[in-house]
Amino acid sequence: DTEVTQTPKHLVMGMTNKKSLKCEQHMGHRAMYWYKQKAKKPPELMFVYSYEKLSINESVPSRFSPECPNSSLLNLHLHALQPEDSALYLCASSQDGTSPETQYFGPGTRLLVL
Amino acid sequence: EDQVTQSPEALRLQEGESSSLNCSYTVSGLRGLFWYRQDPGKGPEFLFTLYSAGEEKEKERLKATLTKKESFLHITAPKPEDSATYLCAVHTGTASKLTFGTGTRLQVTL
Repeated sequence: DTEVTQTPKHLVMGMTNKKSLKCEQHMGHRAMYWYKQKAKKPPELMFVYSYEKLSINESVPSRFSPECPNSSLLNLHLHALQPEDSALYLCASSQDGTSPETQYFGPGTRLLVL
Repeated sequence: EDQVTQSPEALRLQEGESSSLNCSYTVSGLRGLFWYRQDPGKGPEFLFTLYSAGEEKEKERLKATLTKKESFLHITAPKPEDSATYLCAVHTGTASKLTFGTGTRLQVTL
């Protein structure tokens, strides 16, 4: 089973709201990722967690706050977003974050910021 | 800086008309090249991993090959359900980071 689940599927929020995206995997993977994808563009890496520790932050604005409560769960907390943050947010997981290894993606959360 | 270029940007084929998608890369030390398929509004679906020049992998109507400068995704006798965006990504260095190409949007018509 190579399933990564994400909730919610869709999210609409105002610029003053606080919301969270959730990602879960039960493949025993120890590395988890957040990507942002704009329309007709490739995914852009935001954060990488390896063994529940943040290992890569691609200079993402502080209005995005990741959290990895345990090896199966990954959250992305959103606060004071801008309309340009509207995008498809993808979660992925891989064996342990060492190179090279396959990353398996979830279905994504479509976020619209009004 | 690692660069990945995919061509063509878009490709329209008739059902049964075989073709190839190209992924060329300029990287310092390729450690893995990945092909994904992505349907609109969905997450990328893993297809293949290639590690070294000369390697080939097949799955149903798809075959991926790798040279020292590029990879090809060959589609044999495509069907409408093969319509999707095909993404190529490379893994270099030790960081857990994929560099994606911009993708090829494939449309297969009856």
